[in-house]
Amino acid sequence: GQSLEQPSEVTAVEGAIVQINCTYQTSGFYGLSWYQQHDGGAPTFLSYNALDGLEETGRFSSFLSRSDSYGYLLLQELQMKDSASYFCAVPLNTDKLIFGTGTRLQVFP
Amino acid sequence: NAGVTQTPKFRVLKTGQSMTLLCAQDMNHEYMYWYRQDPGMGLRLIHYSVGEGTTAKGEVPDGYNVSRLKKQNFLLGLESAAPSQTSVYFCASSYSQRGRGGYTFGSGTRLTVV
Repeated sequence: GQSLEQPSEVTAVEGAIVQINCTYQTSGFYGLSWYQQHDGGAPTFLSYNALDGLEETGRFSSFLSRSDSYGYLLLQELQMKDSASYFCAVPLNTDKLIFGTGTRLQVFP
Repeated sequence: NAGVTQTPKFRVLKTGQSMTLLCAQDMNHEYMYWYRQDPGMGLRLIHYSVGEGTTAKGEVPDGYNVSRLKKQNFLLGLESAAPSQTSVYFCASSYSQRGRGGYTFGSGTRLTVV
């Protein structure tokens, strides 16, 4: 079956760097996505990795290692507004995403 | 450009009542999805559609039905609500398979069944 594992909570201070890990188990791999969700809000798309390596988008980067079934989201220069839940997701077959249970990031001053 | 619009935003139902949640997207996306979100359990897929007139079951379909008569609309029905269906429901749409371009989510419907 499909499964994703990510830490339930991560804490950091403003200006720091934090890494949120995700390991997955799938019968076939098509890509790893990351979403951000603020309390009371809707999930918003951050990134998608289909190939190994690091992809950077501003302060956020996402990494994928297909051989290790592992990826991470890297957040740099943390700001208070980055406090949110972060979800990794993989496609089940080709046409629907399955989400992890989420990592709650708390950024302190 | 409204994106994905869900109605209603809040609803309280009594056990056994029925209701329909409406999702509308104006991005001409082929793929649409209904998820529920419960504390500590992330997002779980209820039903989805890969195009107008098609529907398929997701991870937790029991107690729900869906219809996609028009490309822009995806309806989620609860025939006989149960307290276990108390949750936040999110609709999403995408233009590509596998989540490549990202899903666009609606703002959610907070449903309480008493």
